[in-house]
Amino acid sequence: DSGVTQTPKHLITATGQRVTLRCSPRSGDLSVYWYQQSLDQGLQFLIQYYNGEERAKGNILERFSAQQFPDLHSELNLSSLELGDSALYFCASSVEGSMWTDTQYFGPGTRLTVL
Amino acid sequence: AQKITQTQPGMFVQEKEAVTLDCTYDTSDPSYGLFWYKQPSSGEMIFLIYQGSYDQQNATEGRYSLNFQKARKSANLVISASQLGDSAMYFCAMREATGTASKLTFGTGTRLQVTL
Repeated sequence: DSGVTQTPKHLITATGQRVTLRCSPRSGDLSVYWYQQSLDQGLQFLIQYYNGEERAKGNILERFSAQQFPDLHSELNLSSLELGDSALYFCASSVEGSMWTDTQYFGPGTRLTVL
Repeated sequence: AQKITQTQPGMFVQEKEAVTLDCTYDTSDPSYGLFWYKQPSSGEMIFLIYQGSYDQQNATEGRYSLNFQKARKSANLVISASQLGDSAMYFCAMREATGTASKLTFGTGTRLQVTL
């Protein structure tokens, strides 16, 4: 158990809908990251937050947004869902977030299926 | 160009044998970290081992060791005394100090199957 929690574990929804994925980082970690894992794209970095502020953006679609709250938990919002958004979404956390030595610990993931 | 290359889509190893999973990387940054993660069929990503670019010694964590050859830009994972529970996907990842410093860049993974 990495100490990172994600809910829900599975999510099935329809095209055009909006969903929210939730993540709680390990105790003491200030940085949260979101990744998407799909068969065709592999593991892709989406976005990072550090202590409530956006720090880095990756291949995140405009239909997707995220935030980190004062208690450091984070939410990833996916809207106008398309079939291609079906993937495993991971949240990861790390202590600090800017050093190359900083290890990221992953949550169990949320498997999103868009029908 | 691929930053992380894992050329072995699948590997087989017999129980109790050692196995090496290959990883090469590409960066011009002198400061970087290399990570290996394990993803069992249940889906979670489990951190295994870390090697920093300035580390003089190869990293070891229990049965896992990292064969770090900086000049060749390779960071191969060695699993000793394989167990059935080692059957999983293994991902090599890199984190650089510059650019989008925060993200991990992953390879495509190697699926390891441990047999009796």
